[in-house]
Amino acid sequence: GAVVSQHPSWVICKSGTSVKIECRSLDFQATTMFWYRQFPKQSLMLMATSNEGSKATYEQGVEKDKFLINHASLTLSTLTVTSAHPEDSSFYICSATDNLAASGRLGEQFFGPGTRLTVL
Amino acid sequence: KQEVTQIPAALSVPEGENLVLNCSFTDSAIYNLQWFRQDPGKGLTSLLLIQSSQREQTSGRLNASLDKSSGRSTLYIAASQPGDSATYLCAVPSGGSYIPTFGRGTSLIVHP
Repeated sequence: GAVVSQHPSWVICKSGTSVKIECRSLDFQATTMFWYRQFPKQSLMLMATSNEGSKATYEQGVEKDKFLINHASLTLSTLTVTSAHPEDSSFYICSATDNLAASGRLGEQFFGPGTRLTVL
Repeated sequence: KQEVTQIPAALSVPEGENLVLNCSFTDSAIYNLQWFRQDPGKGLTSLLLIQSSQREQTSGRLNASLDKSSGRSTLYIAASQPGDSATYLCAVPSGGSYIPTFGRGTSLIVHP
């Protein structure tokens, strides 16, 4: 199946710093990537939908200026948490869909392994 | 807006049992439905994808069914093993899109 990687897998930073998380589709082109946030023992919360070459679409309640998303190529999307604070500590997961997939696999989501962010 | 409910929230069973995990959704105008497993502190692993035109999909000991008209999907796990212990998530897009809404998951523990 399709593989999605994330880097870094975990990061610890001081309050006020910015952190960049990369999401890559390794063996397919991902026109669309999704960024999620997950708190302990809770389900995934969609933060934004990222389309290659265009601005991301953010979900209601997600601050655009705080969570900067860039999708510069068909295989890479980045999420930058700006001026991070302890309440931003969470598990961030990306997913991607292969828009050229066979009709029977259209819309299938492939997830990265996640990034654990801890803000001190 | 799509709402996804998973029952039960948690399940603890002895090894060897056949299991049924349930997923219900409110908007039946969907393109597909996908089942995932998530191990603690890890990302999601896709288990089965069912397109809207299909009624079921099978992979090894897993079988997922889809009944769009009633807004339900069921994941069957045959002959459960301790390695099946994980959280199982159901993801269903809202009508007219591929963007999924996730249920809260079923936390499964299979003990030897």
